[in-house]
Amino acid sequence: QSALTQPASVSGSPGQSLTISCTGTSTDIGKHNLVSWYQQHPGKAPKLIIYDVTYHSPGVPRRFSGSKSGNTASLTISGLQAEDEADYYCTSYTLGTVHVLFGGGTKVTVL
Amino acid sequence: QVQLQESGPGLVKPSETLSLTCSISGVSVTSGVFKWTWIRQSAGKGLTWLGYVSPTGSPTYNPSLRSRLTITQETARNQFSLQLASVTAADTAVYYCARDRGVGDFDSWGQGTLVTVAS
Repeated sequence: QSALTQPASVSGSPGQSLTISCTGTSTDIGKHNLVSWYQQHPGKAPKLIIYDVTYHSPGVPRRFSGSKSGNTASLTISGLQAEDEADYYCTSYTLGTVHVLFGGGTKVTVL
Repeated sequence: QVQLQESGPGLVKPSETLSLTCSISGVSVTSGVFKWTWIRQSAGKGLTWLGYVSPTGSPTYNPSLRSRLTITQETARNQFSLQLASVTAADTAVYYCARDRGVGDFDSWGQGTLVTVAS
């Protein structure tokens, strides 16, 4: 099973919206709604921000939102803020031999 | 509040065994449906799921590491451990322990520990 595909980097100005895609296959993302998103700041552990495609982890601002269409999940950050500059990773539960697949990560830069 | 903390040597020689422990506070390692998981991150790279141990002590491994990896539960100390045998420089990474709520969503993480494989 291959890793999920994310863009290496995306950028936006404060206040703008941006979307990160996460593409898998019909055997992972396309098969269920068990997709999560993590935010990782430099030198820190990843932090769960979205689970089950659309649900917010406690304390996560509502400007973060998740969605899915077919084999692609997306994370949208609305009203981009400086503190949103970080790496973002998607994951998908799988029924295969690998319990969970990670995306390669996307670096978000706030211009 | 659940807290996880990794511990173990920061330097391991090639061909030796890497051993790490994750200490858990705030919840029992045997409770619920949580999968107690190890994940690693090589420098400047992404995250890789290594494997987990279930509340009953049953392990599941990433097939790419199955021949070298052992994950065990230590109920008396409320810990779980990782052993990775025959390490090479490619195993140099930050190793994280994490709690999986059952379907690949990791809601609690340790701070991570850097392990370097070098002679």
